Amino acid sequence: GENVEQHPSTLSVQEGDSAVIKCTYSDSASNYFPWYKQELGKRPQLIIDIRSNVGEKKDQRIAVTLNKTAKHFSLHITETQPEDSAVYFCAASLGYSTLTFGKGTMLLVSP
Amino acid sequence: SAVISQKPSRDICQRGTSLTIQCQVDSQVTMMFWYRQQPGQSLTLIATANQGSEATYESGFVIDKFPISRPNLTFSTLTVSNMSPEDSSIYLCSGGTGRAGELFFGEGSRLTVL
Repeated sequence: GENVEQHPSTLSVQEGDSAVIKCTYSDSASNYFPWYKQELGKRPQLIIDIRSNVGEKKDQRIAVTLNKTAKHFSLHITETQPEDSAVYFCAASLGYSTLTFGKGTMLLVSP
Repeated sequence: SAVISQKPSRDICQRGTSLTIQCQVDSQVTMMFWYRQQPGQSLTLIATANQGSEATYESGFVIDKFPISRPNLTFSTLTVSNMSPEDSSIYLCSGGTGRAGELFFGEGSRLTVL
């Protein structure tokens, strides 16, 4: 089955800096790669996703890139703000199949 | 995004008892899943809730321990049976809207087993 590795497990940045979280996946057939943000005590929220037919997607301060050849994808957050502090999970799936999640990255943005 | 509601939001249970968690989704949702999230950990899929038939369980999860029902398209229950402290966790209901892969989560049910 699919295996998703996520790095780093913890990331501390200063407000205004950029943050990058990286994930690799094992199943070359996977074609859907979402990112979730989970604030303490809250539900995971889908923040951005990318499908295998594109290499990059951007939504305001967040962007996701996908390298199908290398089987890795990354989340980029620019101009970080304290409210970006949360745990971020990457995931991978094949079409309508179930999502396999990475272990998560705790992002801490200091004012 | 889909609207997913589950209850209870939290409960404290005694060892050996069972607890049923309910999940209600809006009509956009076609697929329903149950996940477990242990403290500080990632999300692990327990099973896919199939409408009108037995759930499809992932490796390590069995029907006797986690019976699941989905009597109609928008409602599902997960029971955690014969609980032990190791079952203390957050249980999350999730739903897919049919657009390939997109998944939305309920607020979760935080279970503490004493």
